[in-house]
Amino acid sequence: GQQLNQSPQSMFIQEGEDVSMNCTSSSIFNTWLWYKQEPGEGPVLLIALYKAGELTSNGRLTAQFGITRKDSFLNISASIPSDVGIYFCAGQLTGTYKYIFGTGTRLKVLA
Amino acid sequence: DTGVSQDPRHKITKRGQNVTFRCDPISEHNRLYWYRQTLGQGPEFLTYFQNEAQLEKSRLLSDRFSAERPKGSFSTLEIQRTEQGDSAMYLCASRPEWARVSDTQYFGPGTRLTVL
Repeated sequence: GQQLNQSPQSMFIQEGEDVSMNCTSSSIFNTWLWYKQEPGEGPVLLIALYKAGELTSNGRLTAQFGITRKDSFLNISASIPSDVGIYFCAGQLTGTYKYIFGTGTRLKVLA
Repeated sequence: DTGVSQDPRHKITKRGQNVTFRCDPISEHNRLYWYRQTLGQGPEFLTYFQNEAQLEKSRLLSDRFSAERPKGSFSTLEIQRTEQGDSAMYLCASRPEWARVSDTQYFGPGTRLTVL
């Protein structure tokens, strides 16, 4: 199935460090979403973006909708142990009801 | 609990058996999605309902898969003649129609299917 390119695939960071991950696509999206998923659970929405260039924050999280509408990034500042999990980007393809998900970034925080 | 609920949470079946999963969306969410997620991958779109109408289906949804939402509330996903490759987490998500600021989907906890 179709998936977005998400990088990095995984990362180990020290507690307190900032984290950055991004998502790219060959298709144009009209909505970008960022989710976090923990083992055995469904993804939980973190941030939603609705227009090109939009920069949105949710606590220590900041995400941007790329100008070309083909990419997005997520930053986590001052990481803490509970940030551990898998982060997925997702975009809604223009003209469809379908959401396409990224391959995920696995984040591990070392205390 | 006002979140999306799914039942069962886990299902183990033998190859060739039929299975059915249920999803109860958030109340008043008229849009409902089914996804499949295999280990190490992101969720893959299977199908989308608006009220009781199934408006989009993925090519991933083979003839053995069928989804219904008869009254526009809960939905079922049935897999006939299960194969080992069907082993995955099946996720349901719902979304409201109205406000664009809520134009996002909320996921249930998923049903983990294991086909032996």
